[in-house]
Amino acid sequence: NAGVTQTPKFQVLKTGQSMTLQCAQDMNHNSMYWYRQDPGMGLRLIYYSASEGTTDKGEVPNGYNVSRLNKREFSLRLESAAPSQTSVYFCASSLQGDYGYTFGSGTRLTVV
Amino acid sequence: GENVEQHPSTLSVQEGDSAVIKCTYSDSASNYFPWYKQELGKGPQLIIDIRSNVGEKKDQRIAVTLNKTAKHFSLHITETQPEDSAVYFCAAAFGNEKLTFGTGTRLTIIP
Repeated sequence: NAGVTQTPKFQVLKTGQSMTLQCAQDMNHNSMYWYRQDPGMGLRLIYYSASEGTTDKGEVPNGYNVSRLNKREFSLRLESAAPSQTSVYFCASSLQGDYGYTFGSGTRLTVV
Repeated sequence: GENVEQHPSTLSVQEGDSAVIKCTYSDSASNYFPWYKQELGKGPQLIIDIRSNVGEKKDQRIAVTLNKTAKHFSLHITETQPEDSAVYFCAAAFGNEKLTFGTGTRLTIIP
């Protein structure tokens, strides 16, 4: 089992460019999540999808959009990247909220 | 909503000694408490979890204790080894609600 797969692993964007971070899980999990992690800070929830067909805002949703394409895939889109969005992004999935999350290996994004 | 506080933010212990990380939570309805370990350059990994119907759970050198009355839970690592150096996160959740994470503890094991 691959678990949670994130692509790309590294990305450099210019301010104003757009991009989509991809996430896929093969564990038949219902819930999926996008987090960002900045130096010295914990995990901040951007968006989550409790089940296929639903998405909800987390703690820091501004500047992002998400799509739950199907049960396996949950993508995060930056429409107009800003330097403040320089961060490491993690996707995670779980059977449901009160079960352990499985995290991907992360995408390191730099916006210049 | 739930609020989880984690202490200390950094912890250094001599190899072979024990390490303890503590978390408190605000929502008395929370019933699931996992701990994650994040090694440098990797995503967090679940290392142990506990549900509110038990007070303690052990897995080799790691253990978690839960005090529902006081609304706090702790991670205990005994006989620490260099590979235990990492950032540790606690979290809490109720039912199908999403996890609320603590702010993390950077544990350094001194050889």
